[in-house]
Amino acid sequence: EIVLTQSPDFQSVTPKEKVTITCRASQSIGSSLHWYQQKPDQSPKLLIKYASQSISGVPSRFSGSGSGTDFTLTINSLEAEDAAAYYCHQSSSLPLTFGGGTKVEIK
Amino acid sequence: QLQLQESGPGLVKPSETLSLTCTVSGGSISSSSYYWGWIRQPPGKGLEWIGSIYYSGSTYYNPSLKSRVTISVDTSKNQFSLKLSSVTAADTAVYYCAPVVVGGFDPWGQGTLVTVSS
Repeated sequence: EIVLTQSPDFQSVTPKEKVTITCRASQSIGSSLHWYQQKPDQSPKLLIKYASQSISGVPSRFSGSGSGTDFTLTINSLEAEDAAAYYCHQSSSLPLTFGGGTKVEIK
Repeated sequence: QLQLQESGPGLVKPSETLSLTCTVSGGSISSSSYYWGWIRQPPGKGLEWIGSIYYSGSTYYNPSLKSRVTISVDTSKNQFSLKLSSVTAADTAVYYCAPVVVGGFDPWGQGTLVTVSS
């Protein structure tokens, strides 16, 4: 099973700051890494697919990078509406797995 | 645009079988363009993949749940279902259904909370 380790677990950020969340895979997964945003009491929403591919309707301040074992989700100029938990997910091999999540709080 | 809706009992007794249905609209469950998945999230915790089913009927389950899980498709109703047997309190979670088109799960259903309690 591929283990995804996210860091940090929690981040408190002021609006307009840049946020960086990392996801490390226990073995190489190529670019089969996807990012989700989950706001309180809502379902997860796909933000980025295949490490860096944008999703229609997702604000351009969200971007992803990385390949192999190390991946990054970047939120440029954080807005208040970005307060949420963020999860990475790998689809390289079964069982499909998710990272433990990163909670982003707005100061 | 695909939309999914989970349905089923919100309360299940320990040792019984949890049964949920996901109704798909905006697309055919028989389409080769998608495969379908169940994911769960215990209260206050992270996401766990339960299993997936392909248009061909092939199923893939999380080994941690494999002995207790069955996922099936009803093409006549455009639905797919989850059965989880011998439930315990550890199975209390919000259960989501979602398709994979290309890449990750998208979109997700609204989720349904299932509580295991006597």
